[in-house]
Amino acid sequence: DAGVTQSPTHLIKTRGQQVTLRCSPKSGHDTVSWYQQALGQGPQFIFQYYEEEERQRGNFPDRFSGHQFPNYSSELNVNALLLGDSALYLCASSLLVYNEQFFGPGTRLTVL
Amino acid sequence: QKEVEQNSGPLSVPEGAIASLNCTYSDRGSQSFFWYRQYSGKSPELIMFIYSNGDKEDGRFTAQLNKASQYVSLLIRDSQPSDSATYLCAVLKTSYDKVIFGPGTSLSVIP
Repeated sequence: DAGVTQSPTHLIKTRGQQVTLRCSPKSGHDTVSWYQQALGQGPQFIFQYYEEEERQRGNFPDRFSGHQFPNYSSELNVNALLLGDSALYLCASSLLVYNEQFFGPGTRLTVL
Repeated sequence: QKEVEQNSGPLSVPEGAIASLNCTYSDRGSQSFFWYRQYSGKSPELIMFIYSNGDKEDGRFTAQLNKASQYVSLLIRDSQPSDSATYLCAVLKTSYDKVIFGPGTSLSVIP
């Protein structure tokens, strides 16, 4: 039973560039949530996708956008990268929006 | 007031002792509560979840929930050096809209 997978593992970008991160949920899960985790802090909720729609959104600017595909996989896009966007980006999947979430290994984004 | 708060660390306990990790939350209507363990450089791993008031035990771990006090805790019995990690408390808010994480408590189990 495959768990949550994310790609790429690491990414280095420069300010102003755009980045796309990808996530495949655990088998049987239909809901994907994205989090940003800065060093020494807890994960911060970015948004959640269910039935290919953004259901909830945290306090992140419109530079952060996403998509969910019919196979439940998801993408996180960040435009006009800032130094402060450097963080670990975590994808979590669940069955429906209110059950326990399981995390992928994360993507470490460094913005120079 | 932050939505989810955890006792500040780092917390150090000797091997074999009981480690107690605490969490409070502000949304009185919160429905579900989760404890995650995160090793340095890794992603969070779900340890336990609890929905009802009282205690829930799983092996060496016990989660305790008191909705009236808006308080949830995690006890780790017979602590092992491998338990050294950051423990994250997470709360599913009212209306099941999103899961909010606390800042985490760093636990160090000393051999």
